[in-house]
Amino acid sequence: AQSVTQLGSHVSVSEGALVLLRCNYSSSVPPYLFWYVQYPNQGLQLLLKYTTGATLVKGINGFEAEFKKSETSFHLTKPSAHMSDAAEYFCAVTRNAGNMLTFGGGTRLMVKP
Amino acid sequence: EAGVAQSPRYKIIEKRQSVAFWCNPISGHATLYWYQQILGQGPKLLIQFQNNGVVDDSQLPKDRFSAERLKGVDSTLKIQPAKLEDSAVYLCASSLTSMNTEAFFGQGTRLTVV
Repeated sequence: AQSVTQLGSHVSVSEGALVLLRCNYSSSVPPYLFWYVQYPNQGLQLLLKYTTGATLVKGINGFEAEFKKSETSFHLTKPSAHMSDAAEYFCAVTRNAGNMLTFGGGTRLMVKP
Repeated sequence: EAGVAQSPRYKIIEKRQSVAFWCNPISGHATLYWYQQILGQGPKLLIQFQNNGVVDDSQLPKDRFSAERLKGVDSTLKIQPAKLEDSAVYLCASSLTSMNTEAFFGQGTRLTVV
């Protein structure tokens, strides 16, 4: 069985500050890990994904995430927050390269001017 | 490239009524998913289709929910009868295949059961 835990349902940062959204997973097999972003009244958009290979993954809009197997973590970061980053972010995991995603509970990112 | 289309965008019904949602995936995508997203939670997979066959429906409440993809293209999800706890956003997603490809999501249908 797989599960995803996102620490902090709400995160608030100032514009220009570092963004750090935390994700820990559990999986009985090597996981495939994803971060999705959801803007109000929109569907989910893929930010980045880790499948195999390099553990530091770069995505769209300046976001990146690092897969740390020893810590079972896949935290999302961005060096400098922009007002347009305000949205809900979901971490997700699949097994065996299938696309049946198991999502975490989400983290709402608020960016203060 | 057109995205995943869903309709209606919003629906309000009374409990015990029935409702149906429609999804048209991206052209050529063999795999289609329905997710339920309750307010404040992450999406939960209800059912996955590969062409017109069901791959996984283990989390679909089959006593009241049903889904079909008869011709392997568009799909409908039905709830009959609806309960208050069915209030959620129903997201449809599609991917080229079921393995190692990106899933694209529609905007969802927001269902309110009163």
